[in-house]
Amino acid sequence: NAGVTQTPKFQVLKTGQSMTLQCAQDMNHNSMYWYRQDPGMGLRLIYYSASEGTTDKGEVPNGYNVSRLNKREFSLRLESAAPSQTSVYFCASSERTGQKFSGNTIYFGEGSWLTVV
Amino acid sequence: AQRVTQPEKLLSVFKGAPVELKCNYSYSGSPELFWYVQYSRQRLQLLLRHISRESIKGFTADLNKGETSFHLKKPFAQEEDSAMYYCALGGSSGSRLTFGEGTQLTVNP
Repeated sequence: NAGVTQTPKFQVLKTGQSMTLQCAQDMNHNSMYWYRQDPGMGLRLIYYSASEGTTDKGEVPNGYNVSRLNKREFSLRLESAAPSQTSVYFCASSERTGQKFSGNTIYFGEGSWLTVV
Repeated sequence: AQRVTQPEKLLSVFKGAPVELKCNYSYSGSPELFWYVQYSRQRLQLLLRHISRESIKGFTADLNKGETSFHLKKPFAQEEDSAMYYCALGGSSGSRLTFGEGTQLTVNP
């Protein structure tokens, strides 16, 4: 049981290049998320998908797009990378019952270290 | 809007000393609060949640609605507790979990 798997683990991009971060979960979770982690700013939600077929913006969506390809997969795309997007990106998933997190846990991937030069 | 504040970015204690990581939240509805931990270069993992009222690895946290706080405490810190700790808030919006800025805890020998 791999949990949440994200690729690539490390990537260096030049300004203006595009790339897609891939994420897959094998826990049959409904909800999936993309966060970025920056020193002193904690974890900030970029986009999330409450269920298959839906996506919503989080706190810092500018410069990113997402696709919920199916229940398992949720990808994050940088169309034109900028140095400000240098960060560690975490994909996560959770089961969701009703409208609350009660009893639910968010499971995280191992992170993707992205550097934009 | 929901907001989580962890006022201490860095916290350093000696082994065996008590430790308290502070977390304050702002939310108009009924909050659900969590502590997540990230050991060096590992993925974040759930440490504990307020609805469980449990003690994990000696850590406890009590939700104080009057003070809108959910501080994490441990009476005797261990070196293996050194990690980044995140307080997180979930509310009636369902899917959105808001994290604080994190506190880097270092337990010195």
